[in-house]
Formats: sequence, structure tokens, C-alpha cells
Amino acid sequence: AQSVTQPDIHITVSEGASLELRCNYSYGATPYLFWYVQSPGQGLQLLLKYFSGDTLVQGIKGFEAEFKRSQSSFNLRKPSVHWSDAAEYFCAVGVYSGGGADGLTFGKGTHLIIQP
Amino acid sequence: DSGVTQTPKHLITATGQRVTLRCSPRSGDLSVYWYQQSLDQGLQFLIQYYNGEERAKGNILERFSAQQFPDLHSELNLSSLELGDSALYFCASSERLAGVGTDTQYFGPGTRLTVL
Repeated sequence: AQSVTQPDIHITVSEGASLELRCNYSYGATPYLFWYVQSPGQGLQLLLKYFSGDTLVQGIKGFEAEFKRSQSSFNLRKPSVHWSDAAEYFCAVGVYSGGGADGLTFGKGTHLIIQP
Repeated sequence: DSGVTQTPKHLITATGQRVTLRCSPRSGDLSVYWYQQSLDQGLQFLIQYYNGEERAKGNILERFSAQQFPDLHSELNLSSLELGDSALYFCASSERLAGVGTDTQYFGPGTRLTVL
């Protein structure tokens, strides 16, 4: 069975500083990887996804992530954070069978705090 | 706005009761997924329906059931409720195009269930 580990429960970053959120996955085949963001009291918004091809993927809000097969990682990065980036970030792995997606397996999330 | 709608937004009920949560997928999406988000378990996949048929099961309790109707909306039924069922319940939808591994799940805003 697949699993996702987000090693950092909380991360505090100063506004304007760079950000990297870590995600490691465990899955026997090529995974389909996602980053979602959840603002307080809100649903989950898709930031970016990796299915195949270029291992550096660009997402919304200036985020990017890099898939590294050798490290089983899919870390999320942003060069300069804004106070509005404060939220909970979830990494997820998808399994595909029968031509479509099964349920996602999520990490426990990383709570991002932005210091002024 | 993801295009996935969920009702109600909040639900407060008592132990032993039964409730029904409703989800309308994005226009054109055939697949619906239900997830539970709780403080101790995190985000967990419960069940998936595709075009009216159950497609996959995750960590869904026997007291819980779901169905997808001909108009593709879905309902999650929770019965004999316990305090531990208090959580945020998300619905997600995707196109599930056969043979295409780019099936992205879009999440609704969630229903917050409180069991007293």
C-alpha cells in the first residue's frame, strides 16, 4: 500500500523568505503526486500535480515542486512567501487502476506560519 | 471555487442518530470520492463511486454507506453516530477518463459534522 510522509508538522517562515515543504512517498510503481492547500475553514485547493514528464512542475500562486524518484520525494517550493500563504499544506499520492483514479492517500499535513 | 458543492455546511446531531451528507460533482465529472478529515486520523479516503457504481473502498466503517444517483450527485449516510465521527467530510469529483492518467480530484468545501 502507498503512504505519504510529511516530516514537518509546523514550519515558520518570514514573509519574503523562501519556502520548502518536504514530502516523501512510498509506492511500488510510478506515483501520481499532488500538493493541496487548505486555508482555515476552507476546502482543499489543488496547487500542482505530477503525472509524468518534466520532473519540475509549476503550480498556482507561484509554487513549484520537484519529483525526485531516487529520493522518493516531491518537495514543494516557493521563492518568496506572502502572508496569505499561511495555511495547511497536504501532499498526496494517487493510484490509478482501470483507467482512472482511486482514492488519494494524504500525508498528515504541514502547518505553515508566516512571520511578519 | 472548485465547482463541487456540498450540503449542509454544518451539521450538529446526537450520538446514535443518522445523517445524510450531499455532494454535487463538477459538471461533466462522473467520479465522486468521499473523504473524512479528523484531528487524530488526518485525511482519509472513504469510498468512491463512478457513474453510479461503487468503484473503490477505503477506510469506511460499516455504519457508513454511500450512493451515487443517476444525476451523478452522491450522498454519504452515517448511522449510529458516535462522538468519534465528528469530523470534516469532503467530497471530491473527477472526470475519470478511461486510459488517461491525468485524473485530478477537485474538492468541495466540506461538511462539518459535530456529534454531541
